[in-house]
Amino acid sequence: AQSVTQLDSQVPVFEEAPVELRCNYSSSVSVYLFWYVQYPNQGLQLLLKYLSGSTLVKGINGFEAEFNKSQTSFHLRKPSVHISDTAEYFCAVSETQGGSEKLVFGKGTKLTVNP
Amino acid sequence: ETGVTQSPTHLIKTRGQQVTLRCSSQSGHNTVSWYQQALGQGPQFIFQYYREEENGRGNFPPRFSGLQFPNYSSELNVNALELDDSALYLCASSLDIRGGEQYFGPGTRLTVT
Repeated sequence: AQSVTQLDSQVPVFEEAPVELRCNYSSSVSVYLFWYVQYPNQGLQLLLKYLSGSTLVKGINGFEAEFNKSQTSFHLRKPSVHISDTAEYFCAVSETQGGSEKLVFGKGTKLTVNP
Repeated sequence: ETGVTQSPTHLIKTRGQQVTLRCSSQSGHNTVSWYQQALGQGPQFIFQYYREEENGRGNFPPRFSGLQFPNYSSELNVNALELDDSALYLCASSLDIRGGEQYFGPGTRLTVT
């Protein structure tokens, strides 16, 4: 079974600083990888996804992530954060189970952007 | 294009009761997945429905059951509620079973007392 490790439970940064949220997954076989953002009292919104192709994936709101197969990592980055980026971020990997495909999530990283 | 909607937004139930949560898929999506998100945790897969049939299940007991209707809307039913069932329940729809982006609804916050 797949597992996802988000190494930092909380990341505080100042506005306009760069940020990296780390994610490692367990499988070495082909996977689909996702980053979702959850604002307080809301559902999950997809930031970006890696299905195949270029290892550098660009998403919404200026975020990007790099797929590294040898290190089984999919770290999320943003060169300059805004107050509005304060939220919880979840890394997820797809896992095929019988005829279905489910998402396996990490425990999340709470990003707090301070003025 | 209407997104994924869920009802109710919040719900308070007593231990031992039964609850039904509802989800309307995004237009054209034939696959619905349900997830449970406990406080401070990532979402955990409960089950998936594809064209009205259960298509996969996570590590949840049989008292968690579901339905998908011909219009692809869905219900999650939980019987004999336990305190640990208190969580945010998320519904996600997708165009197909594999490789597709899952679009999440805002969730239903269930509190069991």
